[in-house]
Amino acid sequence: GAGVSQSPSNKVTEKGKDVELRCDPISGHTALYWYRQSLGQGLEFLIYFQGNSAPDKSGLPSDRFSAERTGGSVSTLTIQRTQQEDSAVYLCASSFQASGANVLTFGAGSRLTVL
Amino acid sequence: ELKVEQNPLFLSMQEGKNYTIYCNYSTTSDRLYWYRQDPGKSLESLFVLLSNGAVKQEGRLMASLDTKARLSTLHITAAVHDLSATYFCAVDISHDMRFGAGTRLTVKP
Repeated sequence: GAGVSQSPSNKVTEKGKDVELRCDPISGHTALYWYRQSLGQGLEFLIYFQGNSAPDKSGLPSDRFSAERTGGSVSTLTIQRTQQEDSAVYLCASSFQASGANVLTFGAGSRLTVL
Repeated sequence: ELKVEQNPLFLSMQEGKNYTIYCNYSTTSDRLYWYRQDPGKSLESLFVLLSNGAVKQEGRLMASLDTKARLSTLHITAAVHDLSATYFCAVDISHDMRFGAGTRLTVKP
């Protein structure tokens, strides 16, 4: 597609429920990143994929968070047993990683509200 | 662990004034990026700095990189209201991209 697509754009859930957030990167982009942005805050790194593998999972806040990427394309971020502190905007970005520049193209984000 | 620090975090400027935003990072890297985020929007790329001494300019914004000092600056010249946004720097360590906390810039008439 023309850009990075994220769904859902908004998700309201009850505490304790599981949620899945989806990211469809730009076609041909090998790298995919997930970040979390709380209201008025910076970007918290969650996980980074190179192809289907995740060289760096160090940013996942707890074992309730997991992510996968299949076919070197779509990625899913899953949050189990959601807590109120999980409420944030979850941003996905992808990049082509040409030699030198690694410019990220961001999606519009998925806003998660845990009641 | 890579740390990326920006300052100031909040900046209120008058139109026509100049100011500089600073981005310090803790690990050797020669790849640094600046992004802009408008309220309620996602991030957009502004500048790509790929070597020591790199300087890029776009309109009233100029970014530079000193890899020896592990410092990048974003200089604003003669600020205008349209520049009001949050500006993030990001450091690339072998494609692992970490962002600073952002500088929220407000330009007032």
